[in-house]
Amino acid sequence: QKEVEQDPGPLSVPEGAIVSLNCTYSNSAFQYFMWYRQYSRKGPELLMYTYSSGNKEDGRFTAQVDKSSKYISLFIRDSQPSDSATYLCAMSENSGNTPLVFGKGTRLSVIA
Amino acid sequence: GAGVSQSPSNKVTEKGKDVELRCDPISGHTALYWYRQSLGQGLEFLIYFQGNSAPDKSGLPSDRFSAERTGGSVSTLTIQRTQQEDSAVYLCASSVMGSTAYEQYFGPGTRLTVT
Repeated sequence: QKEVEQDPGPLSVPEGAIVSLNCTYSNSAFQYFMWYRQYSRKGPELLMYTYSSGNKEDGRFTAQVDKSSKYISLFIRDSQPSDSATYLCAMSENSGNTPLVFGKGTRLSVIA
Repeated sequence: GAGVSQSPSNKVTEKGKDVELRCDPISGHTALYWYRQSLGQGLEFLIYFQGNSAPDKSGLPSDRFSAERTGGSVSTLTIQRTQQEDSAVYLCASSVMGSTAYEQYFGPGTRLTVT
């Protein structure tokens, strides 16, 4: 079992839909949870990150962490065609300079 | 400001040849990471630099892989005697302290194809 599991998709939704992207993990020591967006043939771009359990909102994006279930989610409201990309979750045990452990990514297509 | 840059953007090489991949981090970022992204795989950590030293090389897949960093800035990842399984996108990231944690910023990657 990999440390971080993420459904690769692809996920296809109509414009304006609410999108839910999820990851599960096995290492209970993970404390920091990141979401990256990666457009085709580009490097990953940091969207947001959260510490421990709870919610964090940034514009149309909301990140949720449930440490008791070892489950994290990214919600995208009012999805746009420009949101079409691969979304990667990543995790670390501390806030310092430390390698991130990534999921394989979920490919999202938002259809106009 | 300028982001992380990597060169070349694409590299095609024959099996058995050596390749060098370059990363220019964001100015002032002291930590630098190399990751590899293979088809169907997530990003896999290779090596991490703090300044010019590498406290964590645990992700390097074999002794054919090596990396160095000079002047606390540019880093080079070298793959000797390339194999077809080395074909992947090699990503570099540099990091800076954010609101509560260090944030890693990625370059566009070098797409390596070994024929």
